[in-house]
Amino acid sequence: QKEVEQDPGPLSVPEGAIVSLNCTYSNSAFQYFMWYRQYSRKGPELLMYTYSSGNKEDGRFTAQVDKSSKYISLFIRDSQPSDSATYLCAMSESGAGSYQLTFGKGTKLSVIP
Amino acid sequence: DADVTQTPRNRITKTGKRIMLECSQTKGHDRMYWYRQDPGLGLRLIYYSFDVKDINKGEISDGYSVSRQAQAKFSLSLESAIPNQTALYFCATSEGGSGQETQYFGPGTRLLVL
Repeated sequence: QKEVEQDPGPLSVPEGAIVSLNCTYSNSAFQYFMWYRQYSRKGPELLMYTYSSGNKEDGRFTAQVDKSSKYISLFIRDSQPSDSATYLCAMSESGAGSYQLTFGKGTKLSVIP
Repeated sequence: DADVTQTPRNRITKTGKRIMLECSQTKGHDRMYWYRQDPGLGLRLIYYSFDVKDINKGEISDGYSVSRQAQAKFSLSLESAIPNQTALYFCATSEGGSGQETQYFGPGTRLLVL
């Protein structure tokens, strides 16, 4: 079993829809949970991060972490065509291991106008 | 101007050739990384460096070498390229510390080994 599992999609939704992206993981030592967004022919860029369990909201984006289930989610409300990208979850341990990111394979999202 | 730049952006080479991919950053970060991205496999760490005198192997270092010429420059070499090294290569930087580390990625180099 891979350390981080992420459904690669592709996921296609109409503009305005609520999008749910998810990852599961097996390493209980992970403490930092991140979502990176990668546009076509670009490098990934950090969208949001959460420390340990809980929710974090930033505009139309909400990140949720459930450490008991080893499950993280990213919700996008009122999705826009500009949200079309590949979304990568990433995780790391705390302390000296915080530099080492373990990535999911990415979910490709298309928001159709 | 981009904070993390990579050259070349695209490269086609033949099996057995030696090639070098270069990365430069203006973010002033000490930590630099090289990743490769393959369809269905995600991003995997090749090498990383915490400062000019520090080089460490990542998950998939076989067939690769690196050089940290300065704080701002980190090069990746393929000594004798093979077709399964065809991939998208990313350089990244981070500030360091024990908390959450945001990694800043360059635009990538698309490499094709024939």
